[in-house]
Amino acid sequence: NAGVTQTPKFQVLKTGQSMTLQCAQDMNHEYMSWYRQDPGMGLRLIHYSVGAGITDQGEVPNGYNVSRSTTEDFPLRLLSAAPSQTSVYFCASSYREEVQPQHFGDGTRLSIL
Amino acid sequence: GQQVMQIPQYQHVQEGEDFTTYCNSSTTLSNIQWYKQRPGGHPVFLIQLVKSGEVKKQKRLTFQFGEAKKNSSLHITATQTTDVGTYFCAVSTSGTYKYIFGTGTRLKVLA
Repeated sequence: NAGVTQTPKFQVLKTGQSMTLQCAQDMNHEYMSWYRQDPGMGLRLIHYSVGAGITDQGEVPNGYNVSRSTTEDFPLRLLSAAPSQTSVYFCASSYREEVQPQHFGDGTRLSIL
Repeated sequence: GQQVMQIPQYQHVQEGEDFTTYCNSSTTLSNIQWYKQRPGGHPVFLIQLVKSGEVKKQKRLTFQFGEAKKNSSLHITATQTTDVGTYFCAVSTSGTYKYIFGTGTRLKVLA
């Protein structure tokens, strides 16, 4: 039981490049979400999903896409990276949508040059 | 939209002193969650409060949900150096599954 696994742990991109941040959980959790955390700041919700095939926007969805084809995986796509997207990205899960995010991955530290 | 403010933003205490952080919402909440994040780490879920006026304890930590379900507090008794980190509240409003985090309170404990 690995919990929530995020890859990569670190990434440097150039402006305009695209990439996918991976998130996988092996706890059969229905609810998954993506947050970004800027230095010294709180976490801001990007997108969330209440189950396979169902996604919705959070507070700061612009510039990001998500999909949920399986219960286990919830990848986050940056379409055209911008310096403002430099941040630490956390994926989280919980066993149902009424329950707050309980399990977080270790994060992906992303720098956009 | 949902706004959540935490006060204070920073708190430095001597080891053994008490510490309290407050979370205030502009709207009535369905529930509230508290998390702790160590420097360089990820948030760790501490507790969820659901009922008006609810009080829960975890060893030296006491969590309280306001009667009007618009505010909450986390109190640590006799802080230890292991309490260092940032404490966040997270809330959702009725009928949504958007969990919004507060701005956080960064606690430093001086030995």
